[in-house]
Amino acid sequence: AQSVTQLGSHVSVSEGALVLLRCNYSSSVPPYLFWYVQYPNQGLQLLLKYTTGATLVKGINGFEAEFKKSETSFHLTKPSAHMSDAAEYFCAVTLSIKAAGNKLTFGGGTRVLVKP
Amino acid sequence: DTGVSQDPRHKITKRGQNVTFRCDPISEHNRLYWYRQTLGQGPEFLTYFQNEAQLEKSRLLSDRFSAERPKGSFSTLEIQRTEQGDSAMYLCASSPGQVNTEAFFGQGTRLTVV
Repeated sequence: AQSVTQLGSHVSVSEGALVLLRCNYSSSVPPYLFWYVQYPNQGLQLLLKYTTGATLVKGINGFEAEFKKSETSFHLTKPSAHMSDAAEYFCAVTLSIKAAGNKLTFGGGTRVLVKP
Repeated sequence: DTGVSQDPRHKITKRGQNVTFRCDPISEHNRLYWYRQTLGQGPEFLTYFQNEAQLEKSRLLSDRFSAERPKGSFSTLEIQRTEQGDSAMYLCASSPGQVNTEAFFGQGTRLTVV
């Protein structure tokens, strides 16, 4: 079975500062990894995903994440926070096998607060 | 493409009542998923369909929960004899069905059981 751990349920950053959200996973087979963002009372929107190939993936809104197999990590970063980045962020994993059905296992989420 | 649509957006019900939620996936998406999200937590998988076939159910899905996807289009999630612990956001997602494709989420139905 796979699992996801997000370190830090809340992160506070100043506008213009680096955003770093940590995600570690465990998986019995090579994983597919995702970061989703959720605004209040909304569904989840995909920021970026890693499946195969390049380990540094770029997503929407200036976010990027790096897959590090040796560290079983998939941390999310953005060089300069914007007020609109205030939201909750979820890391998720699914297994790279057809039988898994692409169902996602999510971390507990990290709520980002951006200070002016 | 109007995205994944869920109805209603909000539902308040009394304990013991039955409720039913509807999800309309993106057209031609073969897979449809239901997740439950409680306050301050990440979504948890409940069940998924490949076309009209329900292929997997989480042990979170007690006997009071039932999901259907007749004709492989929209899906319904019914909760019978609701309990206060059922209060949560119920999220629906759909995907084209191939390995390695992302799931697109609806805006969710927030259930409050009083």
